[in-house]
Amino acid sequence: DAGVTQSPTHLIKTRGQQVTLRCSPKSGHDTVSWYQQALGQGPQFIFQYYEEEERQRGNFPDRFSGHQFPNYSSELNVNALLLGDSALYLCASSLADGYYGYTFGSGTRLTVV
Amino acid sequence: DQQVKQNSPSLSVQEGRISILNCDYTNSMFDYFLWYKKYPAEGPTFLISISSIKDKNEDGRFTVFLNKSAKHLSLHIVPSQPGDSAVYFCAALEHDMRFGAGTRLTVKP
Repeated sequence: DAGVTQSPTHLIKTRGQQVTLRCSPKSGHDTVSWYQQALGQGPQFIFQYYEEEERQRGNFPDRFSGHQFPNYSSELNVNALLLGDSALYLCASSLADGYYGYTFGSGTRLTVV
Repeated sequence: DQQVKQNSPSLSVQEGRISILNCDYTNSMFDYFLWYKKYPAEGPTFLISISSIKDKNEDGRFTVFLNKSAKHLSLHIVPSQPGDSAVYFCAALEHDMRFGAGTRLTVKP
């Protein structure tokens, strides 16, 4: 049983470009949450998708957007990349109430140069 | 807004001794708390959790204590093993999950 799969694992982009990160949730999970983890910090909540809609959102600008597909997979899009967007982006899947915990992928390391 | 705080960035203990990792939170609406463990180049993995209606949950060498009045929880690892060396994140759940900054635990042989 595959866990959470994220792609790509590493990515280098130039300032001003746009990027799309992808996530396939663990089998049986219907909710996907995205986190940004900067060096030396804990994961910061970006947003959560459930039933193809954004259900919760953290303190991130509108440059960060997402999508959830009918098969529960999800994409994170970041427009107009800034150097400060360089981080590890983690996808986590769960059941809707989250009480059985989140299962995390290994993350996508984004470097903006 | 840092609703979940881990004020110790690092902790070093001797193998066989107890490791105590601490976490404080500010949002009284959090009703479920979790600890995650993270190795380099991997995503966080779930370790143990506790509901706000309990004050203790135990799973093998790992015990989590919750003091709601103090808005404080702690993770005890007894006995500590070198394989426990990792970054530990405290997390709290309301509608979504919020994480602390993490504590790097080093267990020395």
